[in-house]
Amino acid sequence: DIQLTQSPPFLSASVGDRVTITCRASQGIHIFLAWYQQRPGKAPNVLIYEASNLYSGVPSRFSGSGSGTEFTLTISSLQPEDLGTYYCQQLSNYPLTFGGGTKVEIK
Amino acid sequence: QVQLVESGGGVVQPGASLRVSCAASGFGFSSHGMHWVRQAPGKGLEWVAYIGLDGSDDHYVNSVKGRFTISRDNSKNTLFLQTSSLRPEDTGVYLCARARLDGHDVDLWGQGTLVSVSS
Repeated sequence: DIQLTQSPPFLSASVGDRVTITCRASQGIHIFLAWYQQRPGKAPNVLIYEASNLYSGVPSRFSGSGSGTEFTLTISSLQPEDLGTYYCQQLSNYPLTFGGGTKVEIK
Repeated sequence: QVQLVESGGGVVQPGASLRVSCAASGFGFSSHGMHWVRQAPGKGLEWVAYIGLDGSDDHYVNSVKGRFTISRDNSKNTLFLQTSSLRPEDTGVYLCARARLDGHDVDLWGQGTLVSVSS
């Protein structure tokens, strides 16, 4: 099974800060990676698919990059509504797997 | 309204069976692959199962193989997860999720139904 390691597991940042979350895969997954946001008490929402494609309706401050084994999700200017937990998911091989999550707190 | 609504969760004893359902509305259900994803209390997301458009293609996480079966009824726009031999570690919110038209990543999530396995 492909393991996904997210870092950091927790981060605290101020409104307006640039935030970067990393997701590393245990083997190459090409660009078959998605990013999701889960606000407290809510179902997840998709942000990015195929590593760098912004899903329709997602604010442009979110961006994704990477291929192979290393991927990043960047929030260019953190907003209060961005608090929550962010997950990466690989869709290269079954069983599909999620990273452990990165909890984002607003200072 | 485009939505997924899960039902059928509950509290059961270890070893029991339960069928959870997901009613889809507002979109062409038969055109999308579908997933079940679960989330244990206070924990992260865990992918559970996937089914293709006509039900002939399915995949499972190793921990549920042989115990869970994913199925769909395209005439009723409904997705199912039949669970059996439930264990305490199966406890969690079970989320129904729609795969994007041109991929397997999820573009629509339900709110989930809670399955609690406890003696």
